[in-house]
Amino acid sequence: EAQVTQNPRYLITVTGKKLTVTCSQNMNHEYMSWYRQDPGLGLRQIYYSMNVEVTDKGDVPEGYKVSRKEKRNFPLILESPSPNQTSLYFCASSLLGSFADTQYFGPGTRLTVL
Amino acid sequence: SQQGEEDPQALSIQEGENATMNCSYKTSINNLQWYRQNSGRGLVHLILIRSNEREKHSGRLRVTLDTSKKSSSLLITASRAADTASYFCATWTGNQFYFGTGTSLTVIP
Repeated sequence: EAQVTQNPRYLITVTGKKLTVTCSQNMNHEYMSWYRQDPGLGLRQIYYSMNVEVTDKGDVPEGYKVSRKEKRNFPLILESPSPNQTSLYFCASSLLGSFADTQYFGPGTRLTVL
Repeated sequence: SQQGEEDPQALSIQEGENATMNCSYKTSINNLQWYRQNSGRGLVHLILIRSNEREKHSGRLRVTLDTSKKSSSLLITASRAADTASYFCATWTGNQFYFGTGTSLTVIP
């Protein structure tokens, strides 16, 4: 089944404790991205990747890191999480990263930073 | 920000009625997409309308696009309780997708 998977689905952590949220897609998509969703703010893009080893900042990259060493994986790293990073996070992928693409979303990771 | 805005923010209707939600965006586009999100779940693509199209249909969905006003509307006809969800418009600019803030639709059985 074509899908985007994320793990963990739920995470409660404390300020400053490094964490990684994994994202994997099995559709051989070039483009992958991370979003955070907050009430009243919609989805805001954190980072995106057009291809392996190519990553770029989205609108809200502060406090996050990503890597794209393989086409299928795009982990999101919070080196020192803070309470303002409490949010619902989505990974998404699309075929080429162009205006004609549609995005496929993972199920989401609900992160709480205490 | 190039983010779009949906209007209304929330909409509550009876089953069988039509639901209309609007999206405004800020920059020129190649196409505009609509996505649906069930509570707390990932977004699912519904329909794409190209910039040279004015109207597009898919089942009970009808999308219109007015590039001169930088706006789009999504009409869901004969709504069902299962249509209860949030609906987002999305545009592509540069190398990024931009999503609106969403309309929360509740369909009352």
